[in-house]
Amino acid sequence: GQNIDQPTEMTATEGAIVQINCTYQTSGFNGLFWYQQHAGEAPTFLSYNVLDGLEEKGRFSSFLSRSKGYSYLLLKELQMKDSASYLCAVRDSEAGSYQLTFGKGTKLSVIP
Amino acid sequence: ETGVTQTPRHLVMGMTNKKSLKCEQHLGHNAMYWYKQSAKKPLELMFVYNFKEQTENNSVPSRFSPECPNSSHLFLHLHTLQPEDSALYLCASSQDANVDYGYTFGSGTRLTVV
Repeated sequence: GQNIDQPTEMTATEGAIVQINCTYQTSGFNGLFWYQQHAGEAPTFLSYNVLDGLEEKGRFSSFLSRSKGYSYLLLKELQMKDSASYLCAVRDSEAGSYQLTFGKGTKLSVIP
Repeated sequence: ETGVTQTPRHLVMGMTNKKSLKCEQHLGHNAMYWYKQSAKKPLELMFVYNFKEQTENNSVPSRFSPECPNSSHLFLHLHTLQPEDSALYLCASSQDANVDYGYTFGSGTRLTVV
């Protein structure tokens, strides 16, 4: 089986930096995804990590350590529109059809 | 719009009703998925279709019945549902279910069973 843990809620101030952590246990790790989901909307793809290290994409960066089963999503220069849920998902090649297994999501509230 | 369209956006149905959810994508993807999203729970994979063939059925009750007539369309037929089935039902697609691609999600159908 798989277990994915991420904090339930976080609050951060506009203009600041926030780091959302995700830990996972899986037998056939084949990549980790971060998605953003605004209330009532579709989850949208943010980042993908399959090798260790940091992937930077504008204000968003994602880090992966496979040996530690750990990832984080870093959001810089926070804006009010960044208030959303952030979903960590792991692809497990042994789970069948390379399906994604999701964490419960972290609800981020950005305050002025 | 993400390229994956789900209808209806909202649905209220009684426990004895029969209804269907529809998902359509024109991204040229060959894999389509149904996920259930309940409050305070992770997204739960329900069904996977790859090249129109069902490849996964994650112990979903038979009151949920999927149909994939072609690689662009996916349906979820509902009958005799229970109140605990109330949730957001998300459709997703990807290029192929067996290789290294991410998903594109639809906006979901918010289902309420009364």
